[in-house]
Parts: sequence; C-alpha cells; structure tokens
Amino acid sequence: SQQGEEDPQALSIQEGENATMNCSYKTSINNLQWYRQNSGRGLVHLILIRSNEREKHSGRLRVTLDTSKKSSSLLITASRAADTASYFCATVGSRDDKIIFGKGTRLHILP
Amino acid sequence: DVKVTQSSRYLVKRTGEKVFLECVQDMDHENMFWYRQDPGLGLRLIYFSYDVKMKEKGDIPEGYSVSREKKERFSLILESASTNQTSMYLCASSLTGLTGELFFGEGSRLTVL
Repeated sequence: SQQGEEDPQALSIQEGENATMNCSYKTSINNLQWYRQNSGRGLVHLILIRSNEREKHSGRLRVTLDTSKKSSSLLITASRAADTASYFCATVGSRDDKIIFGKGTRLHILP
Repeated sequence: DVKVTQSSRYLVKRTGEKVFLECVQDMDHENMFWYRQDPGLGLRLIYFSYDVKMKEKGDIPEGYSVSREKKERFSLILESASTNQTSMYLCASSLTGLTGELFFGEGSRLTVL
C-alpha cells in the first residue's frame, strides 16, 4: 500500500517551539500533500509537494520530500495555540488516480 | 475561496432508516468525493464523481450509493442505515483531477442507533 504513515502519532510541545512531523510511504509517488484538521471539523489543505521537488515553504510551514527515503517532513516554526490540530499526509502514487491519507499526527501546543 | 457546504453537521438516525447527506460546492469543480473518517482507520474513500451523472466506487462503497444530478451537488445515500455506519462523513471537491488539492466541507457526524 502507498498509504503514508505519520510519525509520531501524537506530539505535545510548548508554544513558540518548532514542531516536526514525519510521513513515510512505500511506493513511488506523483505528489504528497499535507492537511490540517481541527477537532470535529473538515480537513484544510496546507501544501502539495511534487515528486521532483525537495522543499516547499508556506508562511511558518516548511515541507521537505526525500524520494530516495520515501519520506516527507512537515515543520511548523514558532508554534501557536491555534496550531493545535491533527495533521495528515496524503500520497498520490505515480500509477494511481486517487489520494490516500495516513492516520495523522495529533499536535497539541501547550500554553 | 472555495466553499464546500455539507447540509447537516450532526444527524441521529435509527437502524434501517434511509439517510441523505448533501454536499454543495461553489467553485465549478469537476471532481467530488465522499470519505468517511473513523478513529484508528483514517479517511477512507467511499465514492467519487468526475462529472455530472458519473460515479466511481472508492475503497468502501458497500452500503452506500451516490447521486450527482448537478455539477455543484453530490449526495451520499445510505439506503438502510446500520450502526456500523456511525461515523464522520467528509465531502470534498477538486479542480485539478483526482490527484490534486482537495477542498473539504466541515463534515457530517452521523450516529445510527
């Protein structure tokens, strides 16, 4: 299965610290996407990174992709209470026609 | 901004009832999706549609059907609700095919008693 697997499953950090979440997958991909979900709400798209890209930034978010290791990381810098949410990676296989989501990392920012 | 609206945030139904979950998007997207989300299982694709009146089964279509009569509206139907269909249901739409960025609604939490 190409399903991404996030690590860690849960993470608690102090406000202001950086948060790093990782995603590993098994098959070659077309692109990898990160989404955020606040409790009881829908998912919000954060970043899409293509297989030929190594790094992308969006505000306080930085995503890296290492296709040789089949892994990606999401870094949130200077975390805020509002960043408390679940974060999902979603992979699109190079031969597939659909997005497959991992089970997510629950991030809790402590005041 | 793209807006995907799910008609009901919370529903409580009885076993055997017919359930309609409605989803409307306002950005003229070709592609629409229905997922269910369960603790420990993540998001699983039920059905998707890439055009009006077109539908494709996802990974877990059993017990569900869909309807797409208009481009902006994609409905999920539970013909006879069962307790194992208690879940969070998420609708999404996409402009760039089946593999691009998804725009999600707020979700519909269904409880079947």
